[in-house]
Amino acid sequence: GDSVTQMEGPVTLSEEAFLTINCTYTATGYPSLFWYVQYPGEGLQLLLKATKADDKGSNKGFEATYRKETTSFHLEKGSVQVSDSAVYFCALSDRPSSASKIIFGSGTRLSIRP
Amino acid sequence: DTGVSQDPRHKITKRGQNVTFRCDPISEHNRLYWYRQTLGQGPEFLTYFQNEAQLEKSRLLSDRFSAERPKGSFSTLEIQRTEQGDSAMYLCASSPQGHAYEQYFGPGTRLTVT
Repeated sequence: GDSVTQMEGPVTLSEEAFLTINCTYTATGYPSLFWYVQYPGEGLQLLLKATKADDKGSNKGFEATYRKETTSFHLEKGSVQVSDSAVYFCALSDRPSSASKIIFGSGTRLSIRP
Repeated sequence: DTGVSQDPRHKITKRGQNVTFRCDPISEHNRLYWYRQTLGQGPEFLTYFQNEAQLEKSRLLSDRFSAERPKGSFSTLEIQRTEQGDSAMYLCASSPQGHAYEQYFGPGTRLTVT
């Protein structure tokens, strides 16, 4: 079945460092891809999305490009802040026009040192 | 606050007891989803409703689990004869018509079965 694999955490960086969180997926069709973020004590929030190959999703300085040839959707940010500390989930939806259950990766905990 | 709300936020119960959780989606969202998240893992899809109709159930949803959305607004998830393996965070999400993959998550109900 469809699945998402993302790099294990925790990831600890200093403020203003460059961030990459790797994500690869397996899907039989043409999924939509997402990054969700879970800040401490809060619910999951959609961070960004891409619905077709070569699309770039972006939000709050984060970016991810849908790479069909490598089945990847890596999350990047040029300069992280302490407020970016959270758990990040890569996810896919294999039926964007219908039920759209979301399949999540296991999450990557990110901690940013001041 | 017009986001997805869940009640209770925490529930501790003894093995064998029944529990019921409630989810109030964002008003006018016609789709409602239930997910389960265990420690260190991403959320796993349980079931979803379009209006009052339950259209898909995961095989994770054993016979002890039942979900309803009687008037197409709030939903309840009941677990009968709870087991220790049911301990998890139960998440509810809703999405608007035509944007099924834009799921907005509630804060979750954390269930602990002792």
